[in-house]
Amino acid sequence: SQQGEEDPQALSIQEGENATMNCSYKTSINNLQWYRQNSGRGLVHLILIRSNEREKHSGRLRVTLDTSKKSSSLLITASRAADTASYFCATDAMVENTDKLIFGTGTRLQVFP
Amino acid sequence: DGGITQSPKYLFRKEGQNVTLSCEQNLNHDAMYWYRQDPGQGLRLIYYSQIVNDFQKGDIAEGYSVSREKKESFPLTVTSAQKNPTAFYLCASSTLRTGVSYEQYFGPGTRLTVT
Repeated sequence: SQQGEEDPQALSIQEGENATMNCSYKTSINNLQWYRQNSGRGLVHLILIRSNEREKHSGRLRVTLDTSKKSSSLLITASRAADTASYFCATDAMVENTDKLIFGTGTRLQVFP
Repeated sequence: DGGITQSPKYLFRKEGQNVTLSCEQNLNHDAMYWYRQDPGQGLRLIYYSQIVNDFQKGDIAEGYSVSREKKESFPLTVTSAQKNPTAFYLCASSTLRTGVSYEQYFGPGTRLTVT
């Protein structure tokens, strides 16, 4: 079963607005990663946050992690039409004694110019 | 899409035929992965390999086979035993460290259509 579940499934905003996506997971993790996928393309790694970190920034991206609530959020500030893509969280966790990266179902973001 | 390539981008096959998808990386990564993505869904792990000549089944390995004869290459064969092979297939690679998953680098994907 999927470890990470993103919320919302889809999000539509205007250019310049902020976009917030949430990810919830079930088990203890080593780290949590966010990826972006443009339509019909491969995934691109955006940011990795370790289990002992609470917040991380990269350009217009801000990621938070709350291990007590088993949740993370990705904030994209001052969005642009080029940010239109699907965004996935992936949790690094031990599953059946094997370290695995498990992807969620994604949030589809549409940014209108 | 970095230093990982997949070919072809689109592949059409008749039902009952085996088909092999290519994945090559020049990132000197030890670990390689194959995922399947269906419309509107996340990625599901098919197979992964952490070292040459060794690989492990993922969550949905039935109907698929792989080989890892070279560090750079990790081809996936979709066999006729796979009941619903039409999907988008993604290959990825990463550095390897025990107990921790680092970021994965993805290829551009192969869209397989079986009719």
